[in-house]
Amino acid sequence: DADVTQTPRNRITKTGKRIMLECSQTKGHDRMYWYRQDPGLGLRLIYYSFDVKDINKGEISDGYSVSRQAQAKFSLSLESAIPNQTALYFCATSDLLAGGQETQYFGPGTRLLVL
Amino acid sequence: GQSLEQPSEVTAVEGAIVQINCTYQTSGFYGLSWYQQHDGGAPTFLSYNALDGLEETGRFSSFLSRSDSYGYLLLQELQMKDSASYFCAVGAAGNKLTFGGGTRVLVKP
Repeated sequence: DADVTQTPRNRITKTGKRIMLECSQTKGHDRMYWYRQDPGLGLRLIYYSFDVKDINKGEISDGYSVSRQAQAKFSLSLESAIPNQTALYFCATSDLLAGGQETQYFGPGTRLLVL
Repeated sequence: GQSLEQPSEVTAVEGAIVQINCTYQTSGFYGLSWYQQHDGGAPTFLSYNALDGLEETGRFSSFLSRSDSYGYLLLQELQMKDSASYFCAVGAAGNKLTFGGGTRVLVKP
C-alpha cells in the first residue's frame, strides 16, 4: 500500500465550485505539505503544516485553504475554483532527521481541471 | 528567503554523462537535496548533501560546495529511463524545503 495517498486522482469541476482534495499518510510524519505544479514548471508551495495545530501559508495560498484533521490527514480546499487553478496538485510528508536533513515523500498527485 | 537556479533543459545521448548545476541563496543552510520526477509521476528523493564533497549512489552522484553555494547532480551512463525532470532543493534552519524550477533531461538513443 502507498504511504501517501491522494483522492481524487483526477477531478473536473466548474468555475465557482468549492472542491476538496484529500491527503492521507501512513508514515507517521508530523510535517505535511500541499504543492501545485503547472506544466513544465516546478513545485510551488501552497500550505504546510508541521503538526496538527500548526498551519502555515506558502508562496501561493490565495484562493486555497487547508485543514489538518489529524496527524495523518491534510486536506486542501478551493473555495471558489477558477480556471487558472487548473494544475497538478501534490501532497507530501516529511520527517526531519538529526542534522536537519528533511526528505519529502510525495503522493501520486491530483490532476484538477477547472472549466 | 531562499532562491535556487538550475538550467531548464539538458539533452544527451544514451551512455553519456550529464551534469545538472544548482546555485542557491539561503540563510541557515542545512543541506542540498535532489529529486527526480518522471512525466506524470510524483517527485522522488534521490540524494542529500550536508557536507562539501561528492556523494555517490550507483550511476548518480551529487556534489556540494557550501562556500560557493553550489551543487550538482551527475548522471552517468545515461539510460532512456533517466529522461525526467530533476529538482534541487535547499533545507534551511526552521524552514521547509525550497525547490528549484527543475531541469528537464531528455535522453536520446
